[in-house]
Amino acid sequence: IAGITQAPTSQILAAGRRMTLRCTQDMRHNAMYWYRQDLGLGLRLIHYSNTAGTTGKGEVPDGYSVSRANTDDFPLTLASAVPSQTSVYFCASSDGRDNNEQFFGPGTRLTVL
Amino acid sequence: GQNIDQPTEMTATEGAIVQINCTYQTSGFNGLFWYQQHAGEAPTFLSYNVLDGLEEKGRFSSFLSRSKGYSYLLLKELQMKDSASYLCAAMDSNYQLIWGAGTKLIIKP
Repeated sequence: IAGITQAPTSQILAAGRRMTLRCTQDMRHNAMYWYRQDLGLGLRLIHYSNTAGTTGKGEVPDGYSVSRANTDDFPLTLASAVPSQTSVYFCASSDGRDNNEQFFGPGTRLTVL
Repeated sequence: GQNIDQPTEMTATEGAIVQINCTYQTSGFNGLFWYQQHAGEAPTFLSYNVLDGLEEKGRFSSFLSRSKGYSYLLLKELQMKDSASYLCAAMDSNYQLIWGAGTKLIIKP
């Protein structure tokens, strides 16, 4: 793989179900991020990780959890999905140096019914 | 509070020049980013400004005025493939990006 990948590409989920969105990068970037993007709103940060073993809460963390067991992987879990979590989810990474440019994965389109 | 403002939509003609403005208000400031996002795709990096002035990169240029909390993205010689949303994002004191809602640019032949 090259860059940053996300799985699944899209998912329809019943409310109340648990769901994990996967994100993997092969650029050895220290920092990783999860955003949600909703129509008419800017990207909103859900959780982030500045380095393996550490995580932090972003602007809209409620209902989501993350883990960072290693440098490459940063899964996002919805413990009990609700319809308001219907969104497009983007994972991103940056090396934390220079200009802090963030590289984005292709996104996961999640629909919660 | 932290806020990014940019126009919702702009229309321009193929071959012309367009300027997309962005104003920002953040807790601390560590740079201003512009990203391009085609419909249904991920955002891709265009430019980064941390010092006042104009940065030119091919057909695209980005300007920053820190004292005014203002930036613009200038696109020259517009091509149909430039039809996309352009996202402005400011990096705050915690090195987190605060994003605008994006400007949808429509290019007409």
